[in-house]
Amino acid sequence: KAGVTQTPRYLIKTRGQQVTLSCSPISGHRSVSWYQQTPGQGLQFLFEYFSETQRNKGNFPGRFSGRQFSNSRSEMNVSTLELGDSALYLCASSFGHDLYEQYFGPGTRLTVT
Amino acid sequence: AQTVTQSQPEMSVQEAETVTLSCTYDTSESDYYLFWYKQPPSRQMILVIRQEAYKQQNATENRFSVNFQKAAKSFSLKISDSQLGDAAMYFCAYGTSGTYKYIFGTGTRLKVLA
Repeated sequence: KAGVTQTPRYLIKTRGQQVTLSCSPISGHRSVSWYQQTPGQGLQFLFEYFSETQRNKGNFPGRFSGRQFSNSRSEMNVSTLELGDSALYLCASSFGHDLYEQYFGPGTRLTVT
Repeated sequence: AQTVTQSQPEMSVQEAETVTLSCTYDTSESDYYLFWYKQPPSRQMILVIRQEAYKQQNATENRFSVNFQKAAKSFSLKISDSQLGDAAMYFCAYGTSGTYKYIFGTGTRLKVLA
């Protein structure tokens, strides 16, 4: 069974631009969660989608948005990029019920210059 | 608000020895889940072990076991017979039933010395 895939793996953008990251979950998984990982901050929860519905979101500004498609693939978008948005963005998929293991993708490394 | 604290940024252990990683959390909920995740240098995060708060018995997975102290809100991970492949960042995480939101600690980098 193929794992969680994220594209692109690396991205360099300049301040003010916007970026879209993609996540394809494991087949059969209907939940996709997004996290921002920075040194010293650990993983910060961005949002979680299940069957195209956002069920929860973290404390991030409105510049961060996401969506999920009918095939469970998910995208997250960051508009008006700031230097502080440089991070590893991880997505994780699961069946969507409590306690089910989250399977993480390799992440997208975003660098904002 | 729920918080997860890992007070050890870095730990070292000799190969074949035992090491314990600490995690404390703060919550007013009674029904929740706790996890330990491992992130090797390749960065793919994998689940090591999980614990349901309602279970008094500590979870065990091969060489990995937890010491869950609900009253103290403590959830430590013990790795026995440490191996070089155990070297990684370890994250403690908390989840509340029905919220689908997981809160992670800042991680502990474990070094295994040959």
